[in-house]
Amino acid sequence: GAGVSQSPSNKVTEKGKDVELRCDPISGHTALYWYRQSLGQGLEFLIYFQGNSAPDKSGLPSDRFSAERTGGSVSTLTIQRTQQEDSAVYLCASSLPTIAKNIQYFGAGTRLSVL
Amino acid sequence: QQQVKQSPQSLIVQKGGISIINCAYENTAFDYFPWYQQFPGKGPALLIAIRPDVSEKKEGRFTISFNKSAKQFSLHIMDSQPGDSATYFCAANSGAGSYQLTFGKGTKLSVIP
Repeated sequence: GAGVSQSPSNKVTEKGKDVELRCDPISGHTALYWYRQSLGQGLEFLIYFQGNSAPDKSGLPSDRFSAERTGGSVSTLTIQRTQQEDSAVYLCASSLPTIAKNIQYFGAGTRLSVL
Repeated sequence: QQQVKQSPQSLIVQKGGISIINCAYENTAFDYFPWYQQFPGKGPALLIAIRPDVSEKKEGRFTISFNKSAKQFSLHIMDSQPGDSATYFCAANSGAGSYQLTFGKGTKLSVIP
């Protein structure tokens, strides 16, 4: 596929469990972003990867959140010991590493529900 | 601290009318202002974007107006159609650092026939 792919599309988990969300960016896009969209809120930046540079983790809300990007492509966002307030749609975006870097292409997101 | 304030939260417009969504920002380092359109169950998609060296940008029925001194920008949708019904987000970034986008909270637009 040509777009950003995220899986699963929906995830229901119990409070206290760990979850992993996956993002497959557009081929050739070296920049990758994770955002969180809560009901009635805008998109909240979580983390940014660019090539082999150290990721910008400034948006991660707590140390329960982490992300990695293997081989400069696929990324996994991990939430440990999930809480009910973690329920949201988690969106991944990718972009080119040029002046066009500001055009971020989004996946459809993973809807996380913590019971 | 919300750096991009968007209004209104929701908007109902009749088919053929003009939809106007406003945003205001605080960070004077912002130099790129995109608008994203999101349909239910989909990720946001870039609609149109502007840089502060111009005061207006038009693409088809969509126009961004930008007022640098007031730190405000707006989206105008001319001849609004039911297919335009979606949530619209304004955003901004500084083009430096990680290029993360700072988003407004969104406007849910409903265009009624």
